[in-house]
Amino acid sequence: EVQLLESGGGLVQPGGSLRLSCVASGFIFSNYDMTWVRQAPGKGLEWVSSISASGGSVYNADSAKGRFTISRDNSQNTVYLQVSGLRAEDTAIYYCAKDASSGTWIDAWGLGTLVTVSS
Amino acid sequence: QLELTQSPSASASLGASVKLTCTLSSGHSTYAIAWHQQLPGKGPRYLMKLNGDGSHNRGDGIPDRFSGSSSGAERYLIISSLQSEDEADYYCQTWGKTFLAVFGGGTHLTVL
Repeated sequence: EVQLLESGGGLVQPGGSLRLSCVASGFIFSNYDMTWVRQAPGKGLEWVSSISASGGSVYNADSAKGRFTISRDNSQNTVYLQVSGLRAEDTAIYYCAKDASSGTWIDAWGLGTLVTVSS
Repeated sequence: QLELTQSPSASASLGASVKLTCTLSSGHSTYAIAWHQQLPGKGPRYLMKLNGDGSHNRGDGIPDRFSGSSSGAERYLIISSLQSEDEADYYCQTWGKTFLAVFGGGTHLTVL
């Protein structure tokens, strides 16, 4: 059974930083692209960033460019999202997700970790 | 521009069937999509991949009450024998070149 477990969220002041982590199990992690999706309170799903299986290619939504960095450690079955320069509008639940195949649909989701940006 | 459009809300009676619609933007009518369910207060769950020809593959453990079909640029999620636990938000997702993932705005389904 595929499991994705996020951690690292919390309350942070505007301009602050956090590193979100997602530990994966139940599949061969190094074979799959991984994605972060966020959901602001009461809003829909928004793609944030994706990384290829090898980690050699990364892709970011315009809202994340220059501020968020996705990375992965295939030896630890873990994908990360470093978020910096945080703004109030970055307040959201951040979900880790597994792509079914390279750059396609999501076929598994984590439970999410909440990031709250407030002074 | 690749976009997905969903009605914000839908409703149907317990035991009935409902068809939710996701519309692909102009020029993208052949794209496949995925459907995801989000129960209140929970994370999303993958339901199925739906191709432009209407063929679909459900995720592990997804009951066959959930099915999909396609017509032109429209992609449908059909839920039959509605149960109270089907009350949720339903999102469609597609993907463009270079890992661009696109979500529809979601449809909130109320089971009456």
